[in-house]
Amino acid sequence: ELKVEQNPLFLSMQEGKNYTIYCNYSTTSDRLYWYRQDPGKSLESLFVLLSNGAVKQEGRLMASLDTKARLSTLHITAAVHDLSATYFCAVARTGNQFYFGTGTSLTVIP
Amino acid sequence: EAGVTQFPSHSVIEKGQTVTLRCDPISGHDNLYWYRRVMGKEIKFLLHFVKESKQDESGMPNNRFLAERTGGTYSTLKVQPAELEDSGVYFCASSQRRGNEQFFGPGTRLTVL
Repeated sequence: ELKVEQNPLFLSMQEGKNYTIYCNYSTTSDRLYWYRQDPGKSLESLFVLLSNGAVKQEGRLMASLDTKARLSTLHITAAVHDLSATYFCAVARTGNQFYFGTGTSLTVIP
Repeated sequence: EAGVTQFPSHSVIEKGQTVTLRCDPISGHDNLYWYRRVMGKEIKFLLHFVKESKQDESGMPNNRFLAERTGGTYSTLKVQPAELEDSGVYFCASSQRRGNEQFFGPGTRLTVL
């Protein structure tokens, strides 16, 4: 079974600081997703990464994928309070089932 | 366009009782998935429908869980009888085609006392 490890589980950071969330997975996959969830809300898709070396950026968030290392990162630049949420990575394989990491609960402190 | 909706948002029941969760996928999405997140753990796959047919139910924990999707539209997930370890957040997702991005609902938080 494909295993996905995400760390850290909890992240408290000050506004304006940078940090990276890591997502490791155990076997090859077709696609890697990053989702954001606000309390009581749906998981919102942030990025889809399809190939080795893929890098996508949206605002203060940047995601990258290294398929050889089986590693994806979500980098936060100059954090702001609005980024406080839980972030999940999910790996998809041909069978279409998603395998999720444990999630990272991010709190940005003013 | 309406997203994936789930009902109820919260449910608190006693051990041994029955609960039915409902998911309405995005209109036109043939693929419907159920996932569950137990407190502090990862979100885990339960099963996958293509229209009204179960494509993959390898994640269903045991025979106390029954999922249906009559008519290929909304789906229900029934837990009978509920046990303490069934507590968690149950997510539903849908996609237009197999392999496409999955769109998630807000989840149903189930608490079994």
